[in-house]
Amino acid sequence: KQEVTQIPAALSVPEGENLVLNCSFTDSAIYNLQWFRQDPGKGLTSLLLIQSSQREQTSGRLNASLDKSSGRSTLYIAASQPGDSATYLCAVVLAYNFNKFYFGSGTKLNVKP
Amino acid sequence: SAVISQKPSRDICQRGTSLTIQCQVDSQVTMMFWYRQQPGQSLTLIATANQGSEATYESGFVIDKFPISRPNLTFSTLTVSNMSPEDSSIYLCSVDLDRGNEQYFGPGTRLTVT
Repeated sequence: KQEVTQIPAALSVPEGENLVLNCSFTDSAIYNLQWFRQDPGKGLTSLLLIQSSQREQTSGRLNASLDKSSGRSTLYIAASQPGDSATYLCAVVLAYNFNKFYFGSGTKLNVKP
Repeated sequence: SAVISQKPSRDICQRGTSLTIQCQVDSQVTMMFWYRQQPGQSLTLIATANQGSEATYESGFVIDKFPISRPNLTFSTLTVSNMSPEDSSIYLCSVDLDRGNEQYFGPGTRLTVT
């Protein structure tokens, strides 16, 4: 069974800092990994999708990396802003079961002005 | 991409009653997913709904408690039956446009059971 862990559970940083969120998974036979953002009481917004054959994906100030062999992904946020405050979740799909996404418990980020 | 809407956005219900949540997608999709997110927790998959077949439920979730309909390729409903305060959660539907690829979520339904 796939276990997805996110560290830290919560993070508070001053505006302008660069930061890294971590996601680890136990079964390396993944098809892809997706990072989401969730604002309080809202649904999930997709940020980045990394296929298993890729090493990283970038979108604006966000960069996600994937090291499948070690079971890890990181989400790098450059020059953080108060608007980045949200919970960030990662989810993986296994290569042998497309019917299920395994979610981490999330990292709650607070960027202080 | 896909645009997903859910109704209602929130509701407060009494113990023992049932609530049906609707999920509408702006394009035809094969698979739709229903998740529950309890306060302060991550997402837990309730079931996968394919059009024209019975929903597939995850361990710990049963059809009598969470009946699901999938009448066509753009719509699904989830009913939370005989509710108790433990059912207070955000319920989210999602789709993936291509098997195993990027997943899109609806805005969620916030349910409070008193």
